[in-house]
Amino acid sequence: SQQGEEDPQALSIQEGENATMNCSYKTSINNLQWYRQNSGRGLVHLILIRSNEREKHSGRLRVTLDTSKKSSSLLITASRAADTASYFCATEGRAAGNKLTFGGGTRVLVKP
Amino acid sequence: GAVVSQHPSWVICKSGTSVKIECRSLDFQATTMFWYRQFPKQSLMLMATSNEGSKATYEQGVEKDKFLINHASLTLSTLTVTSAHPEDSSFYICSEWSQDTDTQYFGPGTRLTVL
Repeated sequence: SQQGEEDPQALSIQEGENATMNCSYKTSINNLQWYRQNSGRGLVHLILIRSNEREKHSGRLRVTLDTSKKSSSLLITASRAADTASYFCATEGRAAGNKLTFGGGTRVLVKP
Repeated sequence: GAVVSQHPSWVICKSGTSVKIECRSLDFQATTMFWYRQFPKQSLMLMATSNEGSKATYEQGVEKDKFLINHASLTLSTLTVTSAHPEDSSFYICSEWSQDTDTQYFGPGTRLTVL
């Protein structure tokens, strides 16, 4: 079963706006990762945040992690049409042996 | 990041036939690979963990006799869908885990359609 729930399920914004999506999970984790998937394609790793980290940046991406609330957020700033994709969070549980459990995903549409 | 390939990228087969999907690690040796299934507009569900030189570990609810996994070398894992049925139609994605970066790198996926 999926550990993560993502919110919102879908998001439509104008180019240049920021996009924020949230992920909640249930059990203790080693790390949480965010991936992007373009339609019908494989997954591209975006960013990994460890359980002892609270915030991480990579280019236009900002990820936060709140282990007390078991939640994470992904912010894409100054969005571009090329950011249109589905975004998934995935958690690696403490006893998971590197296995990832994926959230339901957020479908982001960036309109030019 | 690491490069993972899958072959074929898509396949259409008749019900009852078996289909083999290959997952190759192109630039490093992967002792552990993972197989996922993704139905349309849904998330990835882990099917099994493939360990080089040993039997795969299947997730609950995944039939090991139906989804045969072989990880015969450090660069190749195969998933064979045996006696495929229309409900097996899905997007199958493999990944390899890199100990160096503690990250999974995903293949481009294989679209299976069973008629």
